[in-house]
Amino acid sequence: SQTIHQWPATLVQPVGSPLSLECTVEGTSNPNLYWYRQAAGRGLQLLFYSVGIGQISSEVPQNLSASRPQDRQFILSSKKLLLSDSGFYLCAWSGDGGQFFGPGTRLTVL
Amino acid sequence: GENVEQHPSTLSVQEGDSAVIKCTYSDSASNYFPWYKQELGKRPQLIIDIRSNVGEKKDQRIAVTLNKTAKHFSLHITETQPEDSAVYFCAASSGGSNYKLTFGKGTLLTVNP
Repeated sequence: SQTIHQWPATLVQPVGSPLSLECTVEGTSNPNLYWYRQAAGRGLQLLFYSVGIGQISSEVPQNLSASRPQDRQFILSSKKLLLSDSGFYLCAWSGDGGQFFGPGTRLTVL
Repeated sequence: GENVEQHPSTLSVQEGDSAVIKCTYSDSASNYFPWYKQELGKRPQLIIDIRSNVGEKKDQRIAVTLNKTAKHFSLHITETQPEDSAVYFCAASSGGSNYKLTFGKGTLLTVNP
């Protein structure tokens, strides 16, 4: 069966520091991959999606970037974090059976 | 692009009552409509979905209906239980289940014992 991992689970970072969040999927090949952000008490905002290695589509212009160096690895990065980057970051993969979310990373920028 | 509206934003029911959450979508090409349940601090979990070639789908106490003409779909939960309390999100996709989703803003359902 398919499993999706994210790390770290929680992260506290100062404003202006860099960010790297990692997501990996097991049990499937060539999945579509997604990064979402959820602000406290709010909905799900799609940030990036990828249909293959090196293929990234950005949904919202901002100071974040994404990369897909391997088939089942998806990375979210920032060179300099802003206070507004705080939130719950969710990675997801999709297939014929639907879209499934990872456990998420809770990021607090101070 | 696609726009999904979800109502109500909050819903409070007594245990045993039914709950209905409604969503409308704007893109007539949308063909896949999942529903997610998110408990506090957890990831969204896919609970049921429906494709555009089907009008209704049931899974035990939950059901989803789709009206393609009116471009709306609804989640029905019967015999609600306190553990049904969560935020529910609807979503739509024009590329099937293996494509990006547009989400509604969510409904906070509270089931009072």
